[in-house]
Amino acid sequence: DQQVKQNSPSLSVQEGRISILNCDYTNSMFDYFLWYKKYPAEGPTFLISISSIKDKNEDGRFTVFLNKSAKHLSLHIVPSQPGDSAVYFCAARDNSGGSNYKLTFGKGTLLTVNP
Amino acid sequence: EPEVTQTPSHQVTQMGQEVILRCVPISNHLYFYWYRQILGQKVEFLVSFYNNEISEKSEIFDDQFSVERPDGSNFTLKIRSTKLEDSAMYFCASSAGFNEKLFFGSGTQLSVL
Repeated sequence: DQQVKQNSPSLSVQEGRISILNCDYTNSMFDYFLWYKKYPAEGPTFLISISSIKDKNEDGRFTVFLNKSAKHLSLHIVPSQPGDSAVYFCAARDNSGGSNYKLTFGKGTLLTVNP
Repeated sequence: EPEVTQTPSHQVTQMGQEVILRCVPISNHLYFYWYRQILGQKVEFLVSFYNNEISEKSEIFDDQFSVERPDGSNFTLKIRSTKLEDSAMYFCASSAGFNEKLFFGSGTQLSVL
């Protein structure tokens, strides 16, 4: 049951360039989306989120875009830095009732930013 | 910055044994969660806890699992009789409010032999 899909297990980018991480979802009741970053031996760290009433949210070098009709979101990192190298998880929440508390995660994309 | 702490970082146990994973959520948070990640797979929701009771649980969280907040600071996950397939990284998380972002601990790597 893959309600949140990250189809690229890995992505390699040159320092200073843009990193684009993609996420697709199938549950039309998802109304809140989050990106988490995870370094080895650490827990996921919140990065940025977006509500379904918006199509873009920006925070410094990080921008998340949401295309509800395509059930697709993406995370843009500009410019990419070597310290951004980590696994990035897309997560979503369904607030429609009966499932208000849990986040559904994708499998993650390993981003490597090369100096 | 306040953080969620989990102990131990690694736990090795024999199949059939009971394990207790411990977590200290961020002190003013009200919502507590357990997630797990089996190697190579996605992070999966296990259970959420609010106001001293389970608010939601997944199909994974069967009768072998239980959670408890024994005092004002700790939040524990107990697996009564571990199975090989329980081997995973277990993450505790907490949030200040219902729709607030989750803060995760560094995880406990559970290995069932």
